[in-house]
This record gives sequence, structure tokens and C-alpha cells, in this order.
Amino acid sequence: RKEVEQDPGPFNVPEGATVAFNCTYSNSASQSFFWYRQDCRKEPKLLMSVYSSGNEDGRFTAQLNRASQYISLLIRDSKLSDSATYLCVVPYSGAGSYQLTFGKGTKLSVIP
Amino acid sequence: DGGITQSPKYLFRKEGQNVTLSCEQNLNHDAMYWYRQDPGQGLRLIYYSQIVNDFQKGDIAEGYSVSREKKESFPLTVTSAQKNPTAFYLCASMGANTEAFFGQGTRLTVV
Repeated sequence: RKEVEQDPGPFNVPEGATVAFNCTYSNSASQSFFWYRQDCRKEPKLLMSVYSSGNEDGRFTAQLNRASQYISLLIRDSKLSDSATYLCVVPYSGAGSYQLTFGKGTKLSVIP
Repeated sequence: DGGITQSPKYLFRKEGQNVTLSCEQNLNHDAMYWYRQDPGQGLRLIYYSQIVNDFQKGDIAEGYSVSREKKESFPLTVTSAQKNPTAFYLCASMGANTEAFFGQGTRLTVV
């Protein structure tokens, strides 16, 4: 069974803090991974893709640990605008199909 | 501009009615997906299609139907058999080696 597990939070952090989320996955064959951001009552939007050991984009760093089957997302210098739900997404390929398995998301609230 | 469009944004359904949610993409993506999201919950897969004229059931297909007559279009019908249809419905498309792109969603409410 393909599963993606995330800590639902909420994570309440002050502005300027560093916060990290973890995501564990069960499908050891997955080669690519994604972090999406979802604002309240909006559609998910891609934040970062992870194809090898990790990826960095400004204040955001994603790291992949294939041996332990988890992906992390690190946000440095948190801004109020970072408040959202962060979804971990793991593609699953098998039996001629290609699906995306979503974690339930981790809610982040950045407090002034 | 390329993108994926869902309509309507808000939809109200009476008990016992079938309703159809539209999803159109001009990204030339082969794969399209329908998800349902309930308040405070993750996305659950309803149906997906890898190619025209073919589609597969996801984890919660009961009470829903789809068609894929054109590459650009993947409409979802919520039938009267779906006993708890009030939810936020998201359509996504994906090309080879790309991430998934989402429409803006349709919020369906039973009245």
C-alpha cells in the first residue's frame, strides 16, 4: 500500500524562526518528490521538486533520505506569508499507472 | 497562457440531483486527476486518466463518474449515489516528468 505520512501540526512559530517538517513514504521505488503549498480554500501550488538528495530555493530547503524513506522541508527566517498547509507528494508508478499520493499536510502558522 | 481551468467555482446541488464539474487543460498533458478534499483533510483520489478514452478508479470512486473523450477535458459527474458530496473538488493534470498542475477547484454544497 502506498502511503505518505506527515505530522499534521499545527506548527505555531514566531516570525524569523526556522521550522522543519518531515514526511515519510512507503514506496521505496519513488524517484521524485514534491512539496506543495496550499492556502486556505485554494488549490495546492508547487513549492519545490526533489529529484536527488535535495533542493534549495532561497529560504526553503528540501532534503531526501532514501535509506530512511523521508523527505524534509526546512523554512528559514519564517515570514507571516509562509502561513499555509504544506503537502508532501510522492508519485507512485505501477501496473501501467502513474498516480500522486498526497500526505494530509502540515499546517504552519507564523505569528507576529 | 497555458493552464488548467475548473468551473464552476461554486456549485449547489439539491438532494438526488446529478451535477457535472468541468475541467479543461491546454498544457497538452496526458494524465488528468480528480481529487476530493474535506475540511482539514488531505486530498483523496476519485478517478484518474492516463490517456484519452481510458480512465481508472481511485480510492473513493463510488458515486462518481468521469469521461475522457478529449485530451483537454476530464469532466466529473457527482451522481445521486454519492451520499455525502459536499466537499472541495480539485482537478489536476500532469505531463511526463513534470509536477502536477491544479485547477482553482470547485466547492460543491448540497442544499
